[in-house]
Amino acid sequence: NAGVTQTPKFQVLKTGQSMTLQCAQDMNHEYMSWYRQDPGMGLRLIHYSVGAGITDQGEVPNGYNVSRSTTEDFPLRLLSAAPSQTSVYFCASSPPGRNQETQYFGPGTRLLVL
Amino acid sequence: GENVEQHPSTLSVQEGDSAVIKCTYSDSASNYFPWYKQELGKGPQLIIDIRSNVGEKKDQRIAVTLNKTAKHFSLHITETQPEDSAVYFCAASKGTGANNLFFGTGTRLTVIP
Repeated sequence: NAGVTQTPKFQVLKTGQSMTLQCAQDMNHEYMSWYRQDPGMGLRLIHYSVGAGITDQGEVPNGYNVSRSTTEDFPLRLLSAAPSQTSVYFCASSPPGRNQETQYFGPGTRLLVL
Repeated sequence: GENVEQHPSTLSVQEGDSAVIKCTYSDSASNYFPWYKQELGKGPQLIIDIRSNVGEKKDQRIAVTLNKTAKHFSLHITETQPEDSAVYFCAASKGTGANNLFFGTGTRLTVIP
């Protein structure tokens, strides 16, 4: 299994540009999530999904959209990039059953918005 | 929501010494407390977790303790090695799903050879 994969690893955007951060998992996990990591602020939840076709907002959803058309993929879209969205973004997935709380993280996408 | 505080933010220890990282949480409904290790350029990885029905759990050189009354839990690493150098995150969860999992702000541990 490749686990959770994310692309790209690094991206530079200009203010106002849009882009999609890709996330895929091959573990048949139902739960998938997007976090952003900023210095001194830990990991903050952006959006999450409990299964295909179901998404919901996390702590910091403004400026981001998600969709979940398949179990494997959970892309994160930045509609109009702003410097405040400069961050490291992590996608995570969780298995079904008793270990649903355990998050399996991807390697991250480092985003710089100029 | 839940508020998880983590201390210290940075910690340096000599190789072979012990390291302790402490976290407090605010919501008494939280019942699951994982610890994640994040190495440079990688995503966080679960290293140990504890549920509210136990007070301590060990896995080789790593242990976690939980005090439900005081709402705090700690990570203990004994006989530290250079490869233990990383950022460690605590978290607290009161149910399944990412929306119920709240992370601390992280501790950067440096083990000096």
